Amino acid sequence: DAKTTQPNSMESNEEEPVHLPCNHSTISGTDYIHWYRQLPSQGPEYVIHGLTSNVNNRMASLAIAEDRKSSTLILHRATLRDAAVYYCILRDERYSGGGADGLTFGKGTHLIIQP
Amino acid sequence: DGGITQSPKYLFRKEGQNVTLSCEQNLNHDAMYWYRQDPGQGLRLIYYSQIVNDFQKGDIAEGYSVSREKKESFPLTVTSAQKNPTAFYLCASSIGRTVRNTEAFFGQGTRLTVV
Repeated sequence: DAKTTQPNSMESNEEEPVHLPCNHSTISGTDYIHWYRQLPSQGPEYVIHGLTSNVNNRMASLAIAEDRKSSTLILHRATLRDAAVYYCILRDERYSGGGADGLTFGKGTHLIIQP
Repeated sequence: DGGITQSPKYLFRKEGQNVTLSCEQNLNHDAMYWYRQDPGQGLRLIYYSQIVNDFQKGDIAEGYSVSREKKESFPLTVTSAQKNPTAFYLCASSIGRTVRNTEAFFGQGTRLTVV
């Protein structure tokens, strides 16, 4: 399975940019990189996803390394509401070839925002 | 509003009893998923379904059963064979037959406690 590695936790100050790293050295050529975040006692929420090029949306930016073995989720100006667990996810290879593709979640990065 | 609804939010079960968790979506999504989350852990895939009347086991299917008789509904039954059922259960859906390039939507979860 294609796996991701993220730091267990990160801390940042309010109104400052946050860079959340993710390593995925075994990524395959057709794997998409997804980011989700989960607030306490809630279901995960989609943040952004990409394949090769950097992506921007209203929530965040996704910077993907040229070799695709790592990526960085960028929150341009963190607020207290951004405090959550952030998951970097790849498509699950086991479910390819006509079957289903499940999102496989690790433990993610617990982002702490200091006021 | 379109979305994915899980019920109930909290559920208590006596040991040895089966219990069914509800998941309904009005997003017209083909794919639906069930995950389990234990404290401080990531999400683990229980079952998924890509189309009506078809579903596949995920990583931890033992002690669980599902059905997909309607596109909108994907109920999960936690049977007495599940030895440690106390957990937070999350249902998700996505548009197409793969999730590689589409986002998944999650419900708000059901917290099951065995008493």
